[in-house]
Amino acid sequence: AQSVTQLDSQVPVFEEAPVELRCNYSSSVSVYLFWYVQYPNQGLQLLLKYLSGSTLVKGINGFEAEFNKSQTSFHLRKPSVHISDTAEYFCAVSDTGNTPLVFGKGTRLSVIA
Amino acid sequence: KAGVTQTPRYLIKTRGQQVTLSCSPISGHRSVSWYQQTPGQGLQFLFEYFSETQRNKGNFPGRFSGRQFSNSRSEMNVSTLELGDSALYLCASSLAFGFGGTEAFFGQGTRLTVV
Repeated sequence: AQSVTQLDSQVPVFEEAPVELRCNYSSSVSVYLFWYVQYPNQGLQLLLKYLSGSTLVKGINGFEAEFNKSQTSFHLRKPSVHISDTAEYFCAVSDTGNTPLVFGKGTRLSVIA
Repeated sequence: KAGVTQTPRYLIKTRGQQVTLSCSPISGHRSVSWYQQTPGQGLQFLFEYFSETQRNKGNFPGRFSGRQFSNSRSEMNVSTLELGDSALYLCASSLAFGFGGTEAFFGQGTRLTVV
């Protein structure tokens, strides 16, 4: 069964600094990969997804992620964060055989003014 | 278009009671999935329904059940509530079951507190 590891539970970063949130998944078979963001008392909103093709995926709010099959990683990056990016970020994976999403434990990003 | 609607947003129940949560997916979406979110366990998959049939099931006891109606609306039921069932229950809808590469849209969740 798939598993997802988000290596950092909390990441504090100063406003306008770059950030990388790390995500590794367990299997190297074909997968779909997702990053979701959750603001307080809200559901999850999709930031970006990798289905196939280019390994660099661009999403909303200036975020991007790079799929690395050999490293089984899908790290999320943003070159310059804003206070409004403070939220919890979840990496998720689904095998291409129509299996449910498996989520990581989440990374709480705190942007400091 | 309207998003995924979950009702109620908040619930307080007593141990031993049962509870029913409702989810209305985005119009045209036929897949509804349920997740339990807790601080300790994170997001855990409960079950998924597509065209009124349960297609996938997570590793939860039989006290957790669900169903989907012909209009794709879904309900989940938890019987004999335990303190550990306190959680945010999230519903997600998508066009295809198992997500199949399609985007899953999440509702705002139902916050269940068991006392």
